[in-house]
Amino acid sequence: DIVMTQTPLSLSVTPGQPASISCKSSQSLLHRDGKTYLYWLLQKPGQSPHLLIFEVSNQFSGVPDRFSGSGSGTVFTLKISRVEAEDVGVYYCMQTIQFPWTFGQGTKVEIK
Amino acid sequence: EVQLVESGGGLVQPGGSLRLSCAASGLSVSSNYMMWVRQAPGKGLEWVSLISRGGDTYYADSVKGRFTISRDNSKNMFYLQVNSLRSEDTARYYCGRVTTWGLGTMVIVSS
Repeated sequence: DIVMTQTPLSLSVTPGQPASISCKSSQSLLHRDGKTYLYWLLQKPGQSPHLLIFEVSNQFSGVPDRFSGSGSGTVFTLKISRVEAEDVGVYYCMQTIQFPWTFGQGTKVEIK
Repeated sequence: EVQLVESGGGLVQPGGSLRLSCAASGLSVSSNYMMWVRQAPGKGLEWVSLISRGGDTYYADSVKGRFTISRDNSKNMFYLQVNSLRSEDTARYYCGRVTTWGLGTMVIVSS
């Protein structure tokens, strides 16, 4: 199974400041079709998860521009350019290149 | 608007069974891969199962042989039959696809 490792596991951020979350996979997520199957999701308190970023760096519909994704192969990063109060929750990376699909442990983001 | 609504959760004794259902609107379950993901209380997300457009099925090792995913194209619904339940299966079960998630249905396995 592909292991997804996120760091840090928790983050306390001052509003308006940037934040960054790392996700490393135990195997490359680059498919022979040229796509890299790495996703970022956010689960706000009391809610279902929802998609932020698909295929490493593509913003899903309706996601604010302050969220961006980057990386390749086995190393990926989610960045929030200026954290807002509504960004609190747990962020997960997820791979869908190989079954079983797997998630990172989650990174809890809080506001200072 | 795409919407997914789970049902069928509840309190069940160890060794018991449930059938979880997911009703889809705004998308065709037969034209999409559809999955189940669960989240134990206070824990992270765990992928459980998926049914592909072609009907192929995939399972996490932790549920293989006990859980069965299926779909009914005529009703635009898909299901997760969960058998031989264990305490560690206690979780909220979400249906959906990566882009769209339901609100989940809670399964509690306890005597």
